[in-house]
Amino acid sequence: EAQVTQNPRYLITVTGKKLTVTCSQNMNHEYMSWYRQDPGLGLRQIYYSMNVEVTDKGDVPEGYKVSRKEKRNFPLILESPSPNQTSLYFCASSLERNTEAFFGQGTRLTVV
Amino acid sequence: KNEVEQSPQNLTAQEGEFITINCSYSVGISALHWLQQHPGGGIVSLFMLSSGKKKHGRLIATINIQEKHSSLHITASHPRDSAVYICAVWSNTGNQFYFGTGTSLTVIP
Repeated sequence: EAQVTQNPRYLITVTGKKLTVTCSQNMNHEYMSWYRQDPGLGLRQIYYSMNVEVTDKGDVPEGYKVSRKEKRNFPLILESPSPNQTSLYFCASSLERNTEAFFGQGTRLTVV
Repeated sequence: KNEVEQSPQNLTAQEGEFITINCSYSVGISALHWLQQHPGGGIVSLFMLSSGKKKHGRLIATINIQEKHSSLHITASHPRDSAVYICAVWSNTGNQFYFGTGTSLTVIP
């Protein structure tokens, strides 16, 4: 089944403790991206990747890192999480930048 | 500034009603997407369009490129249509997706 898989689905952590949210797609898509969703603000792009080893900042990249060492995986790294990064996070992939997007199930992160 | 504006923000309808959700955008686009987000959070793509009209079951999406406007219509609405509907555009000058803040639809039996 074609899908984008995020893990974990739920995470509660403490300020400053490094964490990684994994994202994997099995559709051989070139374009992958991370978004955060906050009430009243909608979805905002954090980082995106056009292909392996090619990543770029979205609208809200501060406090986040990403890597794209393999085509299928695009992890989101929070080196030192803070409470303002409490949010619902989505990973998405598409064949190319301007094609149908497939979303993961979301990761609800709480930083206390 | 919001590149994508949706209206209404919230919508309650009786089962069977015809529903329209509107989306206006201010950037040049390659394509416009309509997404559906159910309670519980998962997001699925309903339509991607760059001109004209598309239909899938009871859902119809239209776009007017000159007016920078799109509409999502739901005919014969049903309680299972209750969800948040999100309009999103691919900018034709960059590599980013811009999103509206969503329309929360509740269909009452």
